[in-house]
Amino acid sequence: DVKVTQSSRYLVKRTGEKVFLECVQDMDHENMFWYRQDPGLGLRLIYFSYDVKMKEKGDIPEGYSVSREKKERFSLILESASTNQTSMYLCASSATLGGRAWDEQFFGPGTRLTVL
Amino acid sequence: AQSVTQLGSHVSVSEGALVLLRCNYSSSVPPYLFWYVQYPNQGLQLLLKYTTGATLVKGINGFEAEFKKSETSFHLTKPSAHMSDAAEYFCAVSNQAGTALIFGKGTTLSVSS
Repeated sequence: DVKVTQSSRYLVKRTGEKVFLECVQDMDHENMFWYRQDPGLGLRLIYFSYDVKMKEKGDIPEGYSVSREKKERFSLILESASTNQTSMYLCASSATLGGRAWDEQFFGPGTRLTVL
Repeated sequence: AQSVTQLGSHVSVSEGALVLLRCNYSSSVPPYLFWYVQYPNQGLQLLLKYTTGATLVKGINGFEAEFKKSETSFHLTKPSAHMSDAAEYFCAVSNQAGTALIFGKGTTLSVSS
């Protein structure tokens, strides 16, 4: 069974802390994604990566960075957490078909981050 | 630019009634279209997808969707709702570069007995 796992289901941090969210996939997928999900706003893409050490900004990258040192692992970093980053964070991965990453994305269970 | 509009943030139906969740898209290239479902406290799960070929797509749990290019729509239907269908549903379209998906804001489906 394919699987995307996220390091924590719930996380509480304080303003100004550096926060690491980890995501691991076991499907040998080339592409990995980080989204944040907020009520009424749906899913918004923060960053994605189409290969090891490669990254692309999504729609809302401000305040975030990412790291992909190994194919199976994609980390989201909040350099200095702020209260407006309180949200649900979802990681996903997908294969590349025909040179495109637009095939089915597999999602992890999410990390609900609260910044106090 | 690609975009997705889901009409109705909340839809309520009775058990056994028809489910219709609306999705309209905007795309400058032939779209790939997806419907995902999210149950409480879980990640998203693919219901069905349209890439090319047959415009009526069947998915899991009895759901289906029809791609209508002339109407730029990809509405999700199920003939008879079940209590277990209560969840949030997201429509998505591939972006122009083919590098990511663009999601709608979601529709919460409630099913009453």
